[in-house]
Amino acid sequence: GQQLNQSPQSMFIQEGEDVSMNCTSSSIFNTWLWYKQDPGEGPVLLIALYKAGELTSNGRLTAQFGITRKDSFLNISASIPSDVGIYFCAGFDGGYQKVTFGTGTKLQVIP
Amino acid sequence: DAGITQSPRHKVTETGTPVTLRCHQTENHRYMYWYRQDPGHGLRLIHYSYGVKDTDKGEVSDGYSVSRSKTEDFLLTLESATSSQTSVYFCAIGDSNSRFYGELFFGEGSRLTVL
Repeated sequence: GQQLNQSPQSMFIQEGEDVSMNCTSSSIFNTWLWYKQDPGEGPVLLIALYKAGELTSNGRLTAQFGITRKDSFLNISASIPSDVGIYFCAGFDGGYQKVTFGTGTKLQVIP
Repeated sequence: DAGITQSPRHKVTETGTPVTLRCHQTENHRYMYWYRQDPGHGLRLIHYSYGVKDTDKGEVSDGYSVSRSKTEDFLLTLESATSSQTSVYFCAIGDSNSRFYGELFFGEGSRLTVL
């Protein structure tokens, strides 16, 4: 079945550092979404992207919708301890209202 | 608060027994989803529903069935549980009134262990 591949799978960073992660798909999506999952909870939407090439920010988070529509990128600037969690990309198929998630990037921040 | 409740939150069962997980929502949303979360695999769609008695398979539907006889309830059944179905199961709803097209709201998860 279709799944989105995220890299890196996990990362340890020092507090204050910037973080980059990406997501690739074999299929085209017209909507890309980025979610964060805190330990013991369900994922929560961070950013939504609707146009190829689009760059969208939410505070210290910036995400980009790849030109090919088969990839997306998430950057976190000046990381803080509460950034710890698992970050998921997701592609949305509006025709069937299906959301396909990525394999996740686990982020750990060292104070 | 999207008003999603999953039950049970934790369950331990034995191989071969049937298991039903329940997802209950309070806001009459049309779309409901069941995902499983496993390390290295992220979230994988099992089944989803686009209305009462309208359901479709996701990418990992083998061994699972679903039912939606009321708008507010979406049930996931493992007819004969296997150890490979040990996982954390998340229910999600799609809110057509969300600010963001495609946004899903998740429940808190149900941790299932099959011995």
